[in-house]
Amino acid sequence: SQTIHQWPATLVQPVGSPLSLECTVEGTSNPNLYWYRQAAGRGLQLLFYSVGIGQISSEVPQNLSASRPQDRQFILSSKKLLLSDSGFYLCAWSAGRVTEETQYFGPGTRLLVL
Amino acid sequence: GQQLNQSPQSMFIQEGEDVSMNCTSSSIFNTWLWYKQDPGEGPVLLIALYKAGELTSNGRLTAQFGITRKDSFLNISASIPSDVGIYFCAVWEEETSGSRLTFGEGTQLTVNP
Repeated sequence: SQTIHQWPATLVQPVGSPLSLECTVEGTSNPNLYWYRQAAGRGLQLLFYSVGIGQISSEVPQNLSASRPQDRQFILSSKKLLLSDSGFYLCAWSAGRVTEETQYFGPGTRLLVL
Repeated sequence: GQQLNQSPQSMFIQEGEDVSMNCTSSSIFNTWLWYKQDPGEGPVLLIALYKAGELTSNGRLTAQFGITRKDSFLNISASIPSDVGIYFCAVWEEETSGSRLTFGEGTQLTVNP
């Protein structure tokens, strides 16, 4: 069966510090991968998605970036965090090359920027 | 991306009551999904709808794909405290760079014992 991991689970970082959040998927190959941010326990904002290694689509201009160095690894990064980057970051995957497949979410990383 | 209008934004109900929430869109979609997010966790898929007019049940949950393909509703019968959470509707959008899910803003459900 497929599983999705995110780490760390919780992170407290000072403003201006770098960020690296990692997401890995097991039990599938060629997944579509997604990064979402959720503020205040409400709507999910899609940040990035990837349909393959090295292929990143950005949805919202910001100081965050994403990379996909391996098929089942998706990394969210920032060189300098802002206060507004605080939130709940969710990684998700869906079966690649098949549209309208179910999307599965990881457990999330809660980021607090002080 | 497409805008989904989900309502209500929040609900406060007593245990045992039935719950109804819905999503509407100005565009036609081929798939409607309903997710639930427990506090501090990632959303989990509840029900997926693939056919206009389809009515699908999952235990105490029932969801319908509107015949116009522009809306969907989710009903929860005989609510219990563990139904607490945020419920999201979602649709798949096709883009040249790939497919993406668009989510509604969520319905926050509180169940009082």
